[in-house]
Amino acid sequence: NAGVTQTPKFRVLKTGQSMTLLCAQDMNHEYMYWYRQDPGMGLRLIHYSVGEGTTAKGEVPDGYNVSRLKKQNFLLGLESAAPSQTSVYFCASSLSLYGYTFGSGTRLTVV
Amino acid sequence: TQLLEQSPQFLSIQEGENLTVYCNSSSVFSSLQWYRQEPGEGPVLLVTVVTGGEVKKLKRLTFQFGDARKDSSLHITAAQPGDTGLYLCPPGNTPLVFGKGTRLSVIA
Repeated sequence: NAGVTQTPKFRVLKTGQSMTLLCAQDMNHEYMYWYRQDPGMGLRLIHYSVGEGTTAKGEVPDGYNVSRLKKQNFLLGLESAAPSQTSVYFCASSLSLYGYTFGSGTRLTVV
Repeated sequence: TQLLEQSPQFLSIQEGENLTVYCNSSSVFSSLQWYRQEPGEGPVLLVTVVTGGEVKKLKRLTFQFGDARKDSSLHITAAQPGDTGLYLCPPGNTPLVFGKGTRLSVIA
């Protein structure tokens, strides 16, 4: 069972560059989420999706875009990376009110 | 948004000691989940509590949901180094809102 797989695991970007983080789940979960985790800030929700083709903004959506073209995949895009986006990004999936399954994270550094 | 306070924020104890971590709010929760996040990994669900007064046990971990469903606690008996991690207790409304958690360090 793969669960939730995030790629890449590590990335260094220069300011202004763009990139896409991929999240894939094989549990047929309807809901998917992107969080960022920063020291002293806890996990903060960026965007989420309640089903294929849907997306919604979370607490800190600015500077990010998402797409859920396939049920199993949830993509997080950074159009023009900024140093403030240096963080660890976690993807998660769930069956509505049930507990979340998290990926192992993507550590992103923007220089 | 249901805001929740966790205490203590940091806890460092010796192997074999007991400890309790608390989650408190002025709001009533429909349910609450407990997660543990080990260094370098994503959070892992430990348990979900739904009923007021409910007690769930997971080996040496005991979870309790308050009678009024406004608070919850996690008690660890005879802590081990493998218990080290960040403990999170988000209210169970999707999407989950996480607090800063309790960072536990168990020293061998």
